[in-house]
Amino acid sequence: QITLKESGPTLVKPTQTLTLTCTFSGFSLSTSGVGVGWIRQPPGKALEWLALIYWNDDKRYSPSLKSRLTITKDTSKNQVVLTMTNMDPVDTATYYCAHSKYYYDSSGSVWIYYFDYWGQGTLVTVSS
Amino acid sequence: QTVVTQEPSLTVSPGGTVTLTCASSTGAVTSGYYPNWFQQKPGQAPRALIYSTSNKHSWTPARFSGSLLGGKAALTLSGVQPEDEAEYYCLLYYGGAVVFGGGTKLTVL
Repeated sequence: QITLKESGPTLVKPTQTLTLTCTFSGFSLSTSGVGVGWIRQPPGKALEWLALIYWNDDKRYSPSLKSRLTITKDTSKNQVVLTMTNMDPVDTATYYCAHSKYYYDSSGSVWIYYFDYWGQGTLVTVSS
Repeated sequence: QTVVTQEPSLTVSPGGTVTLTCASSTGAVTSGYYPNWFQQKPGQAPRALIYSTSNKHSWTPARFSGSLLGGKAALTLSGVQPEDEAEYYCLLYYGGAVVFGGGTKLTVL
């Protein structure tokens, strides 16, 4: 049974750095093809993908936010950490982490990519 | 910047069929974009429905199906239920990066 849970501050001041932790169970980030991603959702708005880290430490970032984001993993603790620098009120959102995976389906000769399990999300407000 | 476009809103009658689409600003959506679809109800985290164009998760109801249609990814709901009223998001992979669509608010009326 896969579960993920986000944790971190609920309130940060403008210009501060946000550090969020995703603690998961039911899978290992050392397993081939497995990844954990971060996604956010401002109140009343759409989902926005932020970053993704894979089992082999391959890291992917949203081009528009790449300069502000860092994603790391601690396989022994079953945790993924996202840091976002220079926070602004427009970064106020619910931040989610999600399990991701890719593999080669030899029966169909195709690659498979997906996100499946999500955490409950954590609301981060940026305000002075 | 890559933009993924969905219908902002759609309305369907209970028992009816509706198709939601997902277009890419880079051109036709193919299976190589590995389209994923998610359902989100107010106050809840998104729930995964479809992955890699047409594959269903173990919990996905049979009335949901995914396909490619006219250069777009598509999510079809057949025999819509009142509980299907929700926001639906598509996701496309772009060589490792990921982009979500703006979402479609589906009303069952």
